Amino acid sequence: GEEVAQTPKHLVRGEGQKAKLYCAPIKGHSYVFWYQQVLKNEFKFLISFQNENVFDETGMPKERFSAKCLPNSPCSLEIQATKLEDSAVYFCASSREGPDEQYFGPGTRLTVT
Amino acid sequence: SQQGEEDPQALSIQEGENATMNCSYKTSINNLQWYRQNSGRGLVHLILIRSNEREKHSGRLRVTLDTSKKSSSLLITASRAADTASYFCATHRFQGGSEKLVFGKGTKLTVNP
Repeated sequence: GEEVAQTPKHLVRGEGQKAKLYCAPIKGHSYVFWYQQVLKNEFKFLISFQNENVFDETGMPKERFSAKCLPNSPCSLEIQATKLEDSAVYFCASSREGPDEQYFGPGTRLTVT
Repeated sequence: SQQGEEDPQALSIQEGENATMNCSYKTSINNLQWYRQNSGRGLVHLILIRSNEREKHSGRLRVTLDTSKKSSSLLITASRAADTASYFCATHRFQGGSEKLVFGKGTKLTVNP
């Protein structure tokens, strides 16, 4: 597609439940990035992929967060055992080459209660 | 810690006036990019300036980069109500064998009709 698609738009989970977010990058873009934005503040980098390979995962809280980008499937970000502080908007972005000129999706708002 | 500290945090101007936002960073960069975020939406890429460039224009946008001072500015001329948004600078840097964009906290611009 011509836009980055993210689903769902909103997700509500009780503390301790699992949350799974999806992202379909723009066709032809080989890089995918995940960010977390809390309270409309700075974008915290989580992880990036080059095709199905992890490019950079230095931002991932590895205990509970995991992500995949498999061929012919949307990319996914999964949070096991959600905590209140995971409440945020999670943005996915894609690009043709590397971290420059990223195209962002509309985000998934995760609320942990 | 996050690079790309924008100032001011918030800016309110009248339609037709110019808006200037600044960004400072701490380490060497490959390039610097400016993005816009409308309320509740994902980031939109505005302009990229490379480390060997000093100034770049795109429509009503003018970006400068001073690598000696590690700072950049974004000027929006003849502002419009539709320019109301948050503006983020992002530095492209190499870190620990990987490269990523690091976003600042943003400047919230309000253009009053």
